[in-house]
Amino acid sequence: DQQVKQNSPSLSVQEGRISILNCDYTNSMFDYFLWYKKYPAEGPTFLISISSIKDKNEDGRFTVFLNKSAKHLSLHIVPSQPGDSAVYFCAASGTQGGSEKLVFGKGTKLTVNP
Amino acid sequence: DAGITQSPRHKVTETGTPVTLRCHQTENHRYMYWYRQDPGHGLRLIHYSYGVKDTDKGEVSDGYSVSRSKTEDFLLTLESATSSQTSVYFCAISAGQGLGGNEQFFGPGTRLTVL
Repeated sequence: DQQVKQNSPSLSVQEGRISILNCDYTNSMFDYFLWYKKYPAEGPTFLISISSIKDKNEDGRFTVFLNKSAKHLSLHIVPSQPGDSAVYFCAASGTQGGSEKLVFGKGTKLTVNP
Repeated sequence: DAGITQSPRHKVTETGTPVTLRCHQTENHRYMYWYRQDPGHGLRLIHYSYGVKDTDKGEVSDGYSVSRSKTEDFLLTLESATSSQTSVYFCAISAGQGLGGNEQFFGPGTRLTVL
């Protein structure tokens, strides 16, 4: 059973507009969430994270929002740029036993059109 | 960028042959991981290590074994490769800060094809 779900396999947006990538989780023990970006033929790279004690974390054009009651997080990219075109993975971990492991979603492929 | 290398970067092998993939880090991080990435499945954990000679199974460990004799090296072995093990394999490392702050940093990947 998937504990971390990214229900949209793909997303296409226009350059300059906002990209919103969504992620849902089922395990209430998760309390730390991360987003990774992956270009073809490269390893995933860490993008941004958020702890469950926060509901928002911002880093430049990237903002992650966490709604604990809904077990939902989202990554906002604004403005979107063609170089943001990549696969984005959501990941989660818990502080209790197993905090050294991450559980990944299946990814969302973002295409930013010029 | 975190100092992680994987070798080989590409390999083609035949069913039934043994294969060993190597991950090398220069960061002295405690935790090391092996993942596989397949279409429709995202990243799935195969095995991980929390110290020299300390390893544990992940989500998809069947058919794989690992060894870590030095902090910097983590080996993934397919004892008898099968076509279902055709995949892209990623190594990752983490300092393991606990309390959830355990970002993992990934290597460039190894593309393995089993014919």
